[in-house]
Order: sequence, then C-alpha cells, then structure tokens
Amino acid sequence: GESVGLHLPTLSVQEGDNSIINCAYSNSASDYFIWYKQESGKGPQFIIDIRSNMDKRQGQRVTVLLNKTVKHLSLQIAATQPGDSAVYFCAEKTDSSASKIIFGSGTRLSIRP
Amino acid sequence: NAGVTQTPKFQVLKTGQSMTLQCAQDMNHNSMYWYRQDPGMGLRLIYYSASEGTTDKGEVPNGYNVSRLNKREFSLRLESAAPSQTSVYFCASSERWPRTDTQYFGPGTRLTVL
Repeated sequence: GESVGLHLPTLSVQEGDNSIINCAYSNSASDYFIWYKQESGKGPQFIIDIRSNMDKRQGQRVTVLLNKTVKHLSLQIAATQPGDSAVYFCAEKTDSSASKIIFGSGTRLSIRP
Repeated sequence: NAGVTQTPKFQVLKTGQSMTLQCAQDMNHNSMYWYRQDPGMGLRLIYYSASEGTTDKGEVPNGYNVSRLNKREFSLRLESAAPSQTSVYFCASSERWPRTDTQYFGPGTRLTVL
C-alpha cells in the first residue's frame, strides 16, 4: 500500500520560491492524470489535470509536466504562498470505461516564512 | 450549489455496530465514489458507481456495501464495524469521461470504531 499520512515525504520551501512536487505512476496504460491539494481537515481539491497526449499543461501559478517514458509526473507551483501549505496527491486514471481514478502517495508541502 | 455533501461529519461506533454514511451531490454528475483515507496510507477506493444503477468494487471493498439510491445519492454501509475500519471516509463525484473526469470531494466523515 501507499506510505503517506503520518510518514508523508515533506517538501519545505521558502515563501516566494518555486515548488516542485514529483510523482511516479505505476500503469503505463494510464491516459489521464490529476493533481489534488488537500488541506488539513478537508477533502482533496482539484488543481490541474493532463491527458497522456500532452507533456505540459499550465494553469494559474501551476504547471504539470508528464514524462511517459519514465512514468513521471511533476507539479510546479510558482511563487509559493503560505496558502499553498497542504498535502499534494497525484492520481491516475487506469480504466477508460469506468471513470476509476487511483491515488498515489502524497507529499506534504511546508512553507517557510 | 453545495457540491458534495456528506453526513455525518463524525461518528463513533462500537465493534459490531452498523451504520450508513450518506453522500449527495447536486452537480448532476454521473459517477460517484467512496474512498477511505488512513494515517500512513493514501486515499483508497472502496466502491464506485460509474452511472445510476451500477456499482463496482474498488481496491478495498471488504466489509462494506453501497447503494446508488438515485443519480444524486450514493450511500456506504458498514454492516458490522471493526476497529480496522477506523478512518476518514470521502465521497466524490465526477462527470462521465471524456468531457472531464475531475472528481469533486465532500468534506469527509471521521469514523472511529472502538
């Protein structure tokens, strides 16, 4: 199973710097990927998604990069703010017929003032 | 729109008791999901309903049953609660692929089984 929660990997970033959160996915047949943000005591919240026919997608202050060769996904957050403190999860869609999405391990992002 | 709502927010059960977690969405989504999130583990899919009238097992279905009551509502039932079912339970919904597969999550139900 995944090893997140109390033993989450943590990324500590200075406020104003850029953050890069990485994720390795498992299924080479996955065709859709999503990044979620989860603040303490709340449910996950959609940030950005990307389909497998793309290698980069940009949103507001966030960029997702997809490298299918090595099955790697990253989330870049520009000019990190205190409100970005949260656990970030990547997720992959593995079954095209049933809208089933599998979550990977999370990373806790901590912002230093 | 309220999005995805869940009741109750908190629940304490004794081993062997039963209960039903309720979930409703007002976004006219076709697909609905139940996840559990444990300390030390990521989100794991319990059951999902791709569309009204269908349900399928996810990664960890044992000890649970679900009912897709109508397009809006998807309930999760614990027939005989066990301490291993202590967790935070999240309901989610999404539109059918391919327009979008983004899931919207409810606030969660924190369940403790003694």
